[in-house]
Amino acid sequence: GAVVSQHPSWVICKSGTSVKIECRSLDFQATTMFWYRQFPKQSLMLMATSNEGSKATYEQGVEKDKFLINHASLTLSTLTVTSAHPEDSSFYICSARTSGRPYNEQFFGPGTRLTVL
Amino acid sequence: AQKVTQAQTEISVVEKEDVTLDCVYETRDTTYYLFWYKQPPSGELVFLIRRNSFDEQNEISGRYSWNFQKSTSSFNFTITASQVVDSAVYLCAPGGSQGNLIFGKGTKLSVKP
Repeated sequence: GAVVSQHPSWVICKSGTSVKIECRSLDFQATTMFWYRQFPKQSLMLMATSNEGSKATYEQGVEKDKFLINHASLTLSTLTVTSAHPEDSSFYICSARTSGRPYNEQFFGPGTRLTVL
Repeated sequence: AQKVTQAQTEISVVEKEDVTLDCVYETRDTTYYLFWYKQPPSGELVFLIRRNSFDEQNEISGRYSWNFQKSTSSFNFTITASQVVDSAVYLCAPGGSQGNLIFGKGTKLSVKP
């Protein structure tokens, strides 16, 4: 149980295009989903926290108009990188929390590698 | 704010050696969780352990063991008799206030045959 999927697992796009990444909790309801970003040889940094049905909370320095997050249901959150540029190339990974579990426990998706040419 | 330091950037050992990965954290919370994850080259995170700050007992799981010292804010991870398959980046992460995790920069472990 507690499986989180991400799609696509990797994507290559041209500069200026938008890319949507999906994060799904397959066998549980995700009350909260997190989006992290990891640059090469760096740690995972939290980008935003999203709760189902409400606006995402972005971390300082993360442009909310560039990284659009939608958490429309208890099993799906999407991250859209708008007008992607090469500096957005990174590893994006989502995680999901559910109620009734230890506060910080979360289940991670396998990640999405984004390369912007 | 929570903060975590993994001072060892890279460690290289020969198979069957024991290796300890250090983790020092900062938190203002009186109750908190601590986690360790393994990140192989594929990038996905493999959960290793969750520890509640109330529980200061050390834990052993097979070749893995963890030493939690609340007084020094450390949560070190030891692999006994290391194997090549243990090669990965290991991430220590205290829990954040929003339910998220605060990740350290990780320690890259290379186990050579």
